Amino acid sequence: EMVMTQSPATLSVSPGEGVTLSCRASESVGSSLAWYRQKPGQAPRLLIYDASTRATGIPDRFSGSGSGTEFTLTISSLQLEDFAVYYCLHYYKWPRTFGQGTKVEIK
Amino acid sequence: EVKLLESGGGLVQPGGSLRLSCAASGFNFNINDMTWVRQAPGKGLEWVSCFSVSDITTYYADSVKGRFTMSRDNSKNTVYLQMNSLGSGDTAVYYCVKNSGFFDAWGQGTMVTVSS
Repeated sequence: EMVMTQSPATLSVSPGEGVTLSCRASESVGSSLAWYRQKPGQAPRLLIYDASTRATGIPDRFSGSGSGTEFTLTISSLQLEDFAVYYCLHYYKWPRTFGQGTKVEIK
Repeated sequence: EVKLLESGGGLVQPGGSLRLSCAASGFNFNINDMTWVRQAPGKGLEWVSCFSVSDITTYYADSVKGRFTMSRDNSKNTVYLQMNSLGSGDTAVYYCVKNSGFFDAWGQGTMVTVSS
């Protein structure tokens, strides 16, 4: 089973600052990698798919990069709604697996 | 607009069964893979099962294989998750998800609590 490892577990950031989140796969997933944001009490929302393609309606402050086993999600200027938990997901093969999440909290 | 509405959650005793439903609208249901994902309280996301239209196959996580059965009724635009032999580890919010390879649209979830 593919293991997805996210780092760091928690990031403390001030509004307006930029952040970079990491996701590492235990073996290559090509570009079959998606990122999600989950606000408290809500369902996750798709941000990025195919490693670097923004989903419909996602602002351009979100960008994804990487391929193979190393991926990053960058948020250029954090808005209040961005303080949430972020998950990566691979869809390269079965079973699909998520990373354990990175919590972005207000400093 | 894609809409996914889960129902059927609730409190069930250990060893019991429950069937979840998900009514879908706003997209061509017949040609889309559908998925269930769950999230235990305070924990991360766990993929549970997926019905692949192209493979005509249902895939399951090892943690539910042999206990859960996913099915769909294309005439009703609905997917189901039959859950048997439930244990405390199955307590979670269960999300119905539209699947385009990646999981691109999520329902709001239905809570399943396994407790005596």
